[in-house]
Formats: sequence, C-alpha cells, structure tokens
Amino acid sequence: EAGVAQSPRYKIIEKRQSVAFWCNPISGHATLYWYQQILGQGPKLLIQFQNNGVVDDSQLPKDRFSAERLKGVDSTLKIQPAKLEDSAVYLCASSFPGQGLYEQFFGPGTRLTVL
Amino acid sequence: AQSVTQLGSHVSVSEGALVLLRCNYSSSVPPYLFWYVQYPNQGLQLLLKYTSAATLVKGINGFEAEFKKSETSFHLTKPSAHMSDAAEYFCAVSDLGTGGFKTIFGAGTRLFVKA
Repeated sequence: EAGVAQSPRYKIIEKRQSVAFWCNPISGHATLYWYQQILGQGPKLLIQFQNNGVVDDSQLPKDRFSAERLKGVDSTLKIQPAKLEDSAVYLCASSFPGQGLYEQFFGPGTRLTVL
Repeated sequence: AQSVTQLGSHVSVSEGALVLLRCNYSSSVPPYLFWYVQYPNQGLQLLLKYTSAATLVKGINGFEAEFKKSETSFHLTKPSAHMSDAAEYFCAVSDLGTGGFKTIFGAGTRLFVKA
C-alpha cells in the first residue's frame, strides 16, 4: 500500500513569509497528525485530526499556524508569518484506530529553513 | 501527565557488539510503548510496540525490548549491531486521556556503529 505522502520535501523562506505544507495519509486512515521536529529533538505534536475534526491542537501556535483537513483525507499546514524558530522538519503521520493499536505511519517530512 | 526520558543522546558501539538504548516513561494509566527508528531524511518507522501482552517484545531487524513496570522502563536491545543500524531511535508512550490517545516522543538517541 502507498505510504504517507508529503510535499514539498524542502522549503527555504525568509522570516515573515508564509508557507504551506501538504500531506496525503494512507488510504482509510481516519487519524492524521502533524508534528514539528526541531533538530536534536523528538517530534512534538502540533495538531491531531480525527476524520476532518480536530482532536488536539493544544500545542499549535494558533497566532501563526493553521491546519485543515477538508473531506477527512488530505491536510495542509500553514505558517503565516514564519519566524526563525520555525525552522524544523514537519512530519505528517496517520493511523487507523483499532488497527495496530494506534501505530503511526510517518511521511518523509518537509524540512523548513527560515532565514 | 505522561513523559518519556531517553538516557543518552548519543550511543556508540562497535559492529557486532550489544546495542542497549534506554527509555524510561511515566504514565498515570497502563501505557502503550513504542520504539521508532529514523534514518537520515526519512520519517519515523515503527520498530516494535508493547500493548500489554508479552512483556518481552520482538521487533524488526533483530531488535527487542522488555517492559518492566516496576522500573517504568522499556529499553531497546539488539544482540549484535550492524552498520545499517546507525540511525536515530525514539521511544514513545501513548495513553488514553480525556482527548483520546495521546503520544509523547522522547528526545531520541543517535546510534553510531563503528566498523
């Protein structure tokens, strides 16, 4: 089966610019996650969707970050405006509740560099 | 609140030697525990998981981990390291909270394998 797809793989922007990332989860996976992974750290959950509803966005900086999952499939994560500290890898993952006991399948990530 | 501590941000072993990566967790309810591996420029991949069945869990690539409730530990081992094991390893804990299952990742341990 096809894995989690993300694009772009790399993005370089200047601070105060905006950027968007796209994620296509594994077909049939109802739960979708966006993580931020800063160099040298573990992934930190930004937002979790169940179908197209938000389950957890407690760590999402809502003044600059937004995410949506229209129709419960693809998702986009946007940063506007970007700050230097947003430089990180943004990982998308998906899971199927009840299967694999919430094992998450990860995409390759988008590496964002903010100059 | 749940938390994960990985002891040692870097571990170096010789090829053929024992690999031991340490993970301690805290959780207010019986947790699910996971080890993921991340190769350069890739997303995370599940190595193994503990789901309250056998306390000794076997995973892919010859890795295994033992759940020790009394020590709140879930250390990852492999009897004989291979060069291809060089990667970053993340321990994660999931438990059921008010908002559903929530997963917390450790900071990661980078494994170096010397020829």
